Amino acid sequence: GAGVSQSPSNKVTEKGKDVELRCDPISGHTALYWYRQSLGQGLEFLIYFQGNSAPDKSGLPSDRFSAERTGGSVSTLTIQRTQQEDSAVYLCASSHPDSSYNEQFFGPGTRLTVL
Amino acid sequence: GNSVTQMEGPVTLSEEAFLTINCTYTATGYPSLFWYVQYPGEGLQLLLKATKADDKGSNKGFEATYRKETTSFHLEKGSVQVSDSAVYFCALVDTSYGKLTFGQGTILTVHP
Repeated sequence: GAGVSQSPSNKVTEKGKDVELRCDPISGHTALYWYRQSLGQGLEFLIYFQGNSAPDKSGLPSDRFSAERTGGSVSTLTIQRTQQEDSAVYLCASSHPDSSYNEQFFGPGTRLTVL
Repeated sequence: GNSVTQMEGPVTLSEEAFLTINCTYTATGYPSLFWYVQYPGEGLQLLLKATKADDKGSNKGFEATYRKETTSFHLEKGSVQVSDSAVYFCALVDTSYGKLTFGQGTILTVHP
């Protein structure tokens, strides 16, 4: 079946612009995660959605970052007034509710470059 | 909080050499442990997992044993191949919560 998909695969933007990154999880996966992979910080958790519960936003680095998940499926990560330090690969993952160990399936990522 | 410490790389080996990548963790609960692999130009893939103490995860010739007494989950392979060249990440998840905590990653390069 289809895996986690993300779009765009690459995004180049100018400092100060807003960007939106999209994630389509695997059908039937109720949990959705955003992570960021950067040279200096490795892989960091950003935000977690589980079903209809309030999302865990504890990993968002600043209030310029926000995310939503519509209809329990597609998610959008928005970065406002981008800065050069936001340059990274943004990864989305999803997991099935019946997974006893929260196995997460990752998308290919969106590489964001802020000039 | 939870944390994962991986041996620093990069690691360079000749084909058929023995591989060990060390991983230790700190966790407040009873985590599940994972090794993820990222091949050049590809996304993160789950390589193997272990969900409780003394479990051994294995896949593609790689193995790792969940050692609660030493809080370790070292990755081993008896004979590496050029195709194993990738970045390897040790990770844990607190099963009551869900988010993965990753180590810094180890770059493995295998030469023919």
